Amino acid sequence: EAQVTQNPRYLITVTGKKLTVTCSQNMNHEYMSWYRQDPGLGLRQIYYSMNVEVTDKGDVPEGYKVSRKEKRNFPLILESPSPNQTSLYFCASQITRTPSYEQYFGPGTRLTVT
Amino acid sequence: DAKTTQPPSMDCAEGRAANLPCNHSTISGNEYVYWYRQIHSQGPQYIIHGLKNNETNEMASLIITEDRKSSTLILPHATLRDTAVYYCIVRVAAGGTSYGKLTFGQGTILTVHP
Repeated sequence: EAQVTQNPRYLITVTGKKLTVTCSQNMNHEYMSWYRQDPGLGLRQIYYSMNVEVTDKGDVPEGYKVSRKEKRNFPLILESPSPNQTSLYFCASQITRTPSYEQYFGPGTRLTVT
Repeated sequence: DAKTTQPPSMDCAEGRAANLPCNHSTISGNEYVYWYRQIHSQGPQYIIHGLKNNETNEMASLIITEDRKSSTLILPHATLRDTAVYYCIVRVAAGGTSYGKLTFGQGTILTVHP
């Protein structure tokens, strides 16, 4: 089954404790992206990757890091989480080799930073 | 990407057609109209897209006006499971530095009643 998976689905942590949210897709997609969703602000892009070893900032990259060492994986790293990073996070992927229309989203990771 | 305007909420009776409008008066000639939906904090789900012709798939139909300044998503026989936030997004299909980024507005909350 074609899918994007995220782990963990729920996470409660404390300020300053480094964490990683994993994202994996099994569709051989070149493009992957991270969004965060907050009430009243909608979904906002954090980082994206056009292919392996190619990453770039989205609209709200501060406080986050990403890496793309393999095509299927695109982890989101919070080196020193703060309460304002409490949010619902989504990973997404999309094909780029041909004109593409459908972006696939993961189930979401709800992060709470206390 | 062109800006879109959607009503904040709509109601529909189960079994009836749900018609969700979207205005995109500044759409460019190479921009597509996409529809996604998000069911209760799950990952957004692609529904349908179109350029200028009407489109239909197993989930919905998309009607785009001749001047392309507005469109309507039609769910022909709404069910309770169609209760969700529906997002109308306008963007190019591929290329450019914003490739892949989906700009989600506030969307329309569709509530399907028994």
